[in-house]
Amino acid sequence: EVQLVESGGGLVQPGGSLRLSCVASGFTFSSHWVTWVRQAPGKGLEWVATINEDGSEKYYVDTVMGRFSISRDNGKNLLYLLMNSLRAEDTAVYYCVRGRANIWGQGTLVTVSS
Amino acid sequence: DVVMTQSPLSLPVTLGQPASISCRSSQSLVHSDGNTYLYWFQQRPGQSPRRLIHRVSGRDSGVPDRFSGSGSGTDFTLKISRVEAEDVGVYYCMQGSLWPWTFGQGTKVEIK
Repeated sequence: EVQLVESGGGLVQPGGSLRLSCVASGFTFSSHWVTWVRQAPGKGLEWVATINEDGSEKYYVDTVMGRFSISRDNGKNLLYLLMNSLRAEDTAVYYCVRGRANIWGQGTLVTVSS
Repeated sequence: DVVMTQSPLSLPVTLGQPASISCRSSQSLVHSDGNTYLYWFQQRPGQSPRRLIHRVSGRDSGVPDRFSGSGSGTDFTLKISRVEAEDVGVYYCMQGSLWPWTFGQGTKVEIK
């Protein structure tokens, strides 16, 4: 079964850091672009960052540029999102998404609050 | 950035009746490779989004044939031929032709 499972969410203070992980199974992870999409409570979907198959290309939404870093470990079928200088407006469910969004994980909740 | 504008934002529908959602982009979504990367997603209450339509009109595996997508350039439509109870949720369009990828605001479909 093709699956993406996120982890690493939790409560963090403003200015703090968090690293999200996403483990892939059921497909050849190294053959696909992967993306993080987030959804603030009660709000719509927002694309956050995308990385290509070998990690040589990375794209970010302006609001996280310089604070978030997307990376991957193809040997372990893992996708990461390192989030620094977190703000209240980063509070959201973060989804790991394969390719052009045809497979989604269940999401992990990040709450930024003092 | 490409702005995606959906209408309506709320859509009450009678069971068995058709429904239609519009999505307009602020610029053409025709990619330099000739494809148009316009997608539709369904998000049922409490669930992750699920892709229904890829590249304007391609129905994803397992998606009922009552769902169809159409359009070109900057103007796109998702149609449900006969709404069923399981179709309740929020529907989003998304463009993947230009960075950053952007979503519409979402259209909430509910049963009258």
